[in-house]
Amino acid sequence: DTEVTQTPKHLVMGMTNKKSLKCEQHMGHRAMYWYKQKAKKPPELMFVYSYEKLSINESVPSRFSPECPNSSLLNLHLHALQPEDSALYLCASSETGYEQYFGPGTRLTVT
Amino acid sequence: EDQVTQSPEALRLQEGESSSLNCSYTVSGLRGLFWYRQDPGKGPEFLFTLYSAGEEKEKERLKATLTKKESFLHITAPKPEDSATYLCAVHSYSGGGADGLTFGKGTHLIIQP
Repeated sequence: DTEVTQTPKHLVMGMTNKKSLKCEQHMGHRAMYWYKQKAKKPPELMFVYSYEKLSINESVPSRFSPECPNSSLLNLHLHALQPEDSALYLCASSETGYEQYFGPGTRLTVT
Repeated sequence: EDQVTQSPEALRLQEGESSSLNCSYTVSGLRGLFWYRQDPGKGPEFLFTLYSAGEEKEKERLKATLTKKESFLHITAPKPEDSATYLCAVHSYSGGGADGLTFGKGTHLIIQP
């Protein structure tokens, strides 16, 4: 089973809202990732949790906050987002250093 | 800084017309090169991993090859259902900070019946 699940599939939020994206994997992988993908662009890495240690892409603004409650779950907390944050948010998991398996993504629209 | 360049940006083929997609890369230490397929509005689907020059992998109508500077994705006798964006990505030892994949911009492939 190489399934990564993400909820919700679609999310519309205002700039003053607080919301969370959720990701789950049951493959026993020890690394989980958040990527952001704008239309007609490749995915861009935002955060990595590897063996419960967080690594951050320094270009990601602080209005995005990741959380890893356990090795199977990954959340992305959103606060005070801007319209330019509208994108497809992808979660992935892997055994460290090997191929990453992606979820279906959450389509986020910020109004 | 890792760089991945894919060509062509877009490719339109007739059904059954074989072709190749190119991925050239510049990294200081390659840990792996990955090919993904992505359909519109969906997450990338893993296809292949290549680790060392000379390695080849095959799956149905697709074959991926790797040299020290580039990788090719060969598509033999494609069908309309092969239409998608094909993404190449590298995982290297050179990345500082967050350790993830660096993607190319992709090749948008259209197979016409």
